[in-house]
This record gives sequence, structure tokens and C-alpha cells, in this order.
Amino acid sequence: DGGITQSPKYLFRKEGQNVTLSCEQNLNHDAMYWYRQDPGQGLRLIYYSQIVNDFQKGDIAEGYSVSREKKESFPLTVTSAQKNPTAFYLCASRTTGTTDTQYFGPGTRLTVL
Amino acid sequence: GQQVMQIPQYQHVQEGEDFTTYCNSSTTLSNIQWYKQRPGGHPVFLIQLVKSGEVKKQKRLTFQFGEAKKNSSLHITATQTTDVGTYFCAGVEYGNKLVFGAGTILRVKS
Repeated sequence: DGGITQSPKYLFRKEGQNVTLSCEQNLNHDAMYWYRQDPGQGLRLIYYSQIVNDFQKGDIAEGYSVSREKKESFPLTVTSAQKNPTAFYLCASRTTGTTDTQYFGPGTRLTVL
Repeated sequence: GQQVMQIPQYQHVQEGEDFTTYCNSSTTLSNIQWYKQRPGGHPVFLIQLVKSGEVKKQKRLTFQFGEAKKNSSLHITATQTTDVGTYFCAGVEYGNKLVFGAGTILRVKS
């Protein structure tokens, strides 16, 4: 945390609906990341962005989309194409030019009914 | 691609016992980082190791980076209930992004 906010903390959606998760940071960090965490598993990278208006797919990008129109914001859309969307989603950021230390937001727990 | 393996998956210890988690990378790393995630929380950065053979201490926590820069360990001496959580290592291959291990869940019985 320390300047990275994610909202809401808990989110429920019906199957087949797209849903957008919010991630905002006021740390003036260039790079932002989205991870997915499933019970008992590590963090899997969905998408990342190193600069405004540019982003790259991570290891599990299928069924997700992102945008980076502002430095402070990196929203993630979970589309209906994502087969198992129920998970804990974590956003992170870091400053380029330094170490890869990442600062995580508090996370959004998405449940698709 | 780069893979980071972490063992054990779970560790249940009596308060006061020691705890160690190990991390192994399939490739040589430029640095390795450790994070702690409390139950219901988010990962928080603990430390970064950069040099071959490096050892760093934070109170009861000792972090080591292997000579070949492919493995690392986190050792907690005399665990306390506040140590409960999941400990992740994350490796950085030269010029590439962070890759997280699956984590070790630590439970402490008081």
C-alpha cells in the first residue's frame, strides 16, 4: 500500500458479465502490474505497463484487458472470455530506473457467481 | 522461460521453533527479493539480495543468496505468532521482469 489503492475490496458479478477493477497510485511510479492469486498459489502476472499508453501481456493475459491512459491509473477488465475469473487480484507499481521492488495495493477479491 | 521453485509449500511450527523456506531458480538471477503476505493481506517487500553469497539479517530473519545466484533462503529464528503468513521469493533474471515463487505458508502454534 502506501499510495496504491484498489477498489472495491470485494466484488461479486454474474457469470458472463465484464467487470473492471480499479488501480490508482500517487507514488509517481512509471511501471504498473496486475497479478492474479489463487488459493495456495503464487502470483501470476496478467499484464504490465512500463509507461503511459503502452502495456504488455504477462503469463496469463487471455480473457483480460487493460489500459494505461494516465500514469496514475491502470484499470483491469475481466472479460466474459476468462474461464475462471474468481480470484484475488493484486495491482503493483514501481519506479523505473531503480530496483524491481514492487509496492502492492490491498487487492480486490472477485467472485463470479 | 524462467521458473522459480519454492519449498516447502506449508510449514506448521510450534512457537519458538525455527523456520526455513528455500527458493531455486532455473536460471541465474540478477537479484532476488522476498515478500511477506499476512492472511487476508497483500505482499509486502522485505528485502533484496544482489551479490553472490550475500547474507542479510533483519532481527530474527536471515536471508541468503547462493554463490551461483540461483538459489536463496529465508530463515526465521524462534518463530512468533506474528510471523504467520505466506513468504514469497521473487527472482529477477537480467533485464527481465520479476517472477514469483509459489510461496511458503507458515503457521505458528502458540
